[in-house]
Amino acid sequence: DAKTTQPTSMDCAEGRAANLPCNHSTISGNEYVYWYRQIHSQGPQYIIHGLKNNETNEMASLIITEDRKSSTLILPHATLRDTAVYYCIVRDYRDDKIIFGKGTRLHILP
Amino acid sequence: EAQVTQNPRYLITVTGKKLTVTCSQNMNHEYMSWYRQDPGLGLRQIYYSMNVEVTDKGDVPEGYKVSRKEKRNFPLILESPSPNQTSLYFCASSSGSGANVLTFGAGSRLTVL
Repeated sequence: DAKTTQPTSMDCAEGRAANLPCNHSTISGNEYVYWYRQIHSQGPQYIIHGLKNNETNEMASLIITEDRKSSTLILPHATLRDTAVYYCIVRDYRDDKIIFGKGTRLHILP
Repeated sequence: EAQVTQNPRYLITVTGKKLTVTCSQNMNHEYMSWYRQDPGLGLRQIYYSMNVEVTDKGDVPEGYKVSRKEKRNFPLILESPSPNQTSLYFCASSSGSGANVLTFGAGSRLTVL
């Protein structure tokens, strides 16, 4: 079973910030939180990852709660091209099995 | 360009005809993995490899074989394909340490009649 729980789908208005939640209540100290997205049937694309601190890159921001049991991916100004399925996974660098789950289908509304 | 290359991208075959989907990466990654994706089921891991000559089963290995004779290649072998193996397949790789970001191939859509 996946180590993370995500809502099945979400809507966001174009131009607004999209906030995608992820619960990972059983995360261990060595596990990083990774976010990927998949547009249509393309190969999943890496977005961002973090361990404890909040992270930001050119694509998104990742907010991790202090107890690390949940996180939020923020797309600051969503565009139609951000319509995709977003996957949150937790992974230790020693992990061999990597379980993706079903992700959140994000719809950007014009 | 750093990439994972899968071939073929599309294939229609018949039940029982052996086929191989190739996967090659040019990033000197230790870790490689195969996933299948079916409607409503997300990405499910078939096999993975931590390094050359080291392979292990994922969640749905039945009906598949893999080999890792070279670091860059990780072929997926269907010895006797069946219609329930009709799916979209992805190969991915990552380094064995550090950021461990998975890089995915573009996918191979397989139809078994």
